[in-house]
Amino acid sequence: DAGITQSPRHKVTETGTPVTLRCHQTENHRYMYWYRQDPGHGLRLIHYSYGVKDTDKGEVSDGYSVSRSKTEDFLLTLESATSSQTSVYFCAISIPTGTTGELFFGEGSRLTVL
Amino acid sequence: LAKTTQPISMDSYEGQEVNITCSHNNIATNDYITWYQQFPSQGPRFIIQGYKTKVTNEVASLFIPADRKSSTLSLPRVSLSDTAVYYCLVGGTGTASKLTFGTGTRLQVTL
Repeated sequence: DAGITQSPRHKVTETGTPVTLRCHQTENHRYMYWYRQDPGHGLRLIHYSYGVKDTDKGEVSDGYSVSRSKTEDFLLTLESATSSQTSVYFCAISIPTGTTGELFFGEGSRLTVL
Repeated sequence: LAKTTQPISMDSYEGQEVNITCSHNNIATNDYITWYQQFPSQGPRFIIQGYKTKVTNEVASLFIPADRKSSTLSLPRVSLSDTAVYYCLVGGTGTASKLTFGTGTRLQVTL
């Protein structure tokens, strides 16, 4: 257990509404990531962060924004949710191991946009 | 970004050795190769990591040739509980890098 919690774990919302998913860690690790997972697509990187207020885009960042105002929290926001954003969202943190690190994932947040 | 290519799926019988190969032709000098396992409704979890040659731990071995353009995850004597999706990830974890997963390999183990 790497001390990662995601909230909410499940959410159903309507098209056009804003949604914020939260990833919280208890160990103050520097690198945090948001992925989405859809059948047949594996895990796709949305955004990642390498420190407070330091974020960058991943491969599928359109329609998503992130914020990291403190080390322990990495927020993913869908400003206006669309049905194509129905997915399972995973947060991950990178925990250093020697010269590199390994990713630890949260339990996922299942989002349904109607 | 180091793009990875893996077989979409593999089948095996319980007790056999399974080898899953990942191709990563444009791997960078400072990239490590990491394999993850994912069960349904769970996030991926770390299996093994290496930079070159061979790495072995209690659950798997990782073979990396000298040119590092591919890697092979070896699972000895698989059981039904090894049925999962396996991902190869190439990147400098612990750095500000875009850690991009491929589509993964779905391993089905049967009796």
